Amino acid sequence: DTGVSQNPRHKITKRGQNVTFRCDPISEHNRLYWYRQTLGQGPEFLTYFQNEAQLEKSRLLSDRFSAERPKGSFSTLEIQRTEQGDSAMYLCASSSGTGDYNEQFFGPGTRLTVL
Amino acid sequence: AQSVTQLGSHVSVSEGALVLLRCNYSSSVPPYLFWYVQYPNQGLQLLLKYTSAATLVKGINGFEAEFKKSETSFHLTKPSAHMSDAAEYVCAPGSRYNQGGKLIFGQGTELSVKP
Repeated sequence: DTGVSQNPRHKITKRGQNVTFRCDPISEHNRLYWYRQTLGQGPEFLTYFQNEAQLEKSRLLSDRFSAERPKGSFSTLEIQRTEQGDSAMYLCASSSGTGDYNEQFFGPGTRLTVL
Repeated sequence: AQSVTQLGSHVSVSEGALVLLRCNYSSSVPPYLFWYVQYPNQGLQLLLKYTSAATLVKGINGFEAEFKKSETSFHLTKPSAHMSDAAEYVCAPGSRYNQGGKLIFGQGTELSVKP
């Protein structure tokens, strides 16, 4: 399978714990995006990388959130001291090229439940 | 800021009936508009994309959308619904101000198809 993969697919954690999600984009895609989707809403942009550089972060991304893409390939999204409001589906997408409107390919998402 | 509204969080049609899913964007004309589809337990998939080349855009699975500047709309249609069309449909306008190609999504419309 050469699509975008995300792990884990589901994560249940207790409030206050740290969690980390991983995204593996399509090989050689230089852009990688993170979105968050809550029930009944469309995805909301969190951050994006071009190669290893994190070029934009949404105001939704509080100080408890950090994302990395150390070698310009896979990316991780860490949430520290989770809160119940962090419960959502976290989506990763990747695209190729430098044009702003190239198709983004989405992974299946990681569903986070904070108890 | 760019925004988008999808009228109707749930739409139900009979198999063989016309599908019409509505999407309206904010008044500043976006150069790009996207429709994505999300089937159960799968990632978002690009359905079609408007890039200013033609106002009527054909996508996959028999769907099409028409860009109407006067109505600031980009409604999605399909002449005859199939059971397999049951999914979540999300509209996303693009803008030259959305640096890096981040997408601003509508809240989504869930399509149900009755036999």
